[in-house]
Amino acid sequence: NAGVMQNPRHLVRRRGQEARLRCSPMKGHSHVYWYRQLPEEGLKFMVYLQKENIIDESGMPKERFSAEFPKEGPSILRIQQVVRGDSAAYFCASSLLVGDTEAFFGQGTRLTVV
Amino acid sequence: DAKTTQPNSMESNEEEPVHLPCNHSTISGTDYIHWYRQLPSQGPEYVIHGLTSNVNNRMASLAIAEDRKSSTLILHRATLRDAAVYYCILRPLEAFNKFYFGSGTKLNVKP
Repeated sequence: NAGVMQNPRHLVRRRGQEARLRCSPMKGHSHVYWYRQLPEEGLKFMVYLQKENIIDESGMPKERFSAEFPKEGPSILRIQQVVRGDSAAYFCASSLLVGDTEAFFGQGTRLTVV
Repeated sequence: DAKTTQPNSMESNEEEPVHLPCNHSTISGTDYIHWYRQLPSQGPEYVIHGLTSNVNNRMASLAIAEDRKSSTLILHRATLRDAAVYYCILRPLEAFNKFYFGSGTKLNVKP
């Protein structure tokens, strides 16, 4: 039973390019959460999605960032026109039920903008 | 938004118990207390959670103060693999997993 899978593990983008981060939740999980972790800081909530719906995007920057969780396939976090400040580790978590006490995290995607 | 206060770092010797404190003086009656840990270059990993009573599992124990304004995560015998950042997090009963991670406590385990 594979855990939460994120890819790529490492991603390098030049300023102005687009970054696409993928997250496949644990089997049977329909609740996905994205978090961002800047160096030497704790994780910050970005967005919560269920299949085909964004439930809470209160932590998402207003511009350039978007997320989706289609009916089929992984959840995607998309960052357009990346800037140096977007360099961070992006973690995805999933849970079976919305009120589950345990969320399972992936190993993260480390984005470096050069 | 972090509603908890933890020491920045702690040190322990291998095979000895470790008590990681957390203050959450503004906790509400329906907030669960969660602990996660993050090993280097890894995603956070669930450790334990509780509401009012002390809790034990295979990884750790959670001691919750009677007034619930503080709690302590107890690792009974620290190993080198327990070196990580430990996060104490409050989660409202009705909420989804929107965690406020804070800065956590970096635990260093000495051989």
